[in-house]
Amino acid sequence: DIQMTQSPSSLSASVGDRVTITCRASQGISNYLAWYQQKPGRLPRLLVYAASTSPSGVPSRFSGSGSGTYFTLTISNLQPEDVASYYCQKYDSAPLTFGGGTKVELK
Amino acid sequence: ELQLVESGGGLVQPGGSLRLSCAASGFTFDDYAMHWVRQTPGRGLEWVSGISWNSGSLGYGDSVKGRFTISRDNAKNTLYLQMNSLRAEDTAFYYCAKDNSAFLQFLDFWGQGAPVTVSS
Repeated sequence: DIQMTQSPSSLSASVGDRVTITCRASQGISNYLAWYQQKPGRLPRLLVYAASTSPSGVPSRFSGSGSGTYFTLTISNLQPEDVASYYCQKYDSAPLTFGGGTKVELK
Repeated sequence: ELQLVESGGGLVQPGGSLRLSCAASGFTFDDYAMHWVRQTPGRGLEWVSGISWNSGSLGYGDSVKGRFTISRDNAKNTLYLQMNSLRAEDTAFYYCAKDNSAFLQFLDFWGQGAPVTVSS
């Protein structure tokens, strides 16, 4: 099965910073990659699908990129409400594996 | 308004069985694939299983394959997860989630979850 590896596992950044989270697949998955945000005590929320497409309502400071085995989620201007854990998930085929998650905190 | 309401969670002994249900409303249930995802407090998300709109395509995570069975009843707008041979490491919150499509892709709506505790 394809493994999904996220890095870093946690990070601390200041308001206004540009933050980048990476997700690597152990084999190519084309662009079948989604990103989710989970705020403390809340349900996960879809941020990005097809590696770089955001559903309506997602702030424009969130952007995804990548294809094949290497993907990134960038928060261009970190806001206090972005404190959360972020997860990638592959969906090229089952199992639909999640990455281990990245916890984003404020410095 | 979309709603997914899980039920059937609880305390079970190791080796025991439990069946989770997820009642869906607010959308055309049989147009979409559905999933179960679990999470241990303070830990990450783990995809457990998924089922396509017509039950023609099923998938399982490696840790539950052969022990868990996913099913759906489109007439009742309900998703199920039959969990057998339960282990302590199956202890988690189990979330029902809706897919964005009829087949196994990405998840766009989540239920509130049901707790499952496996302990003697």
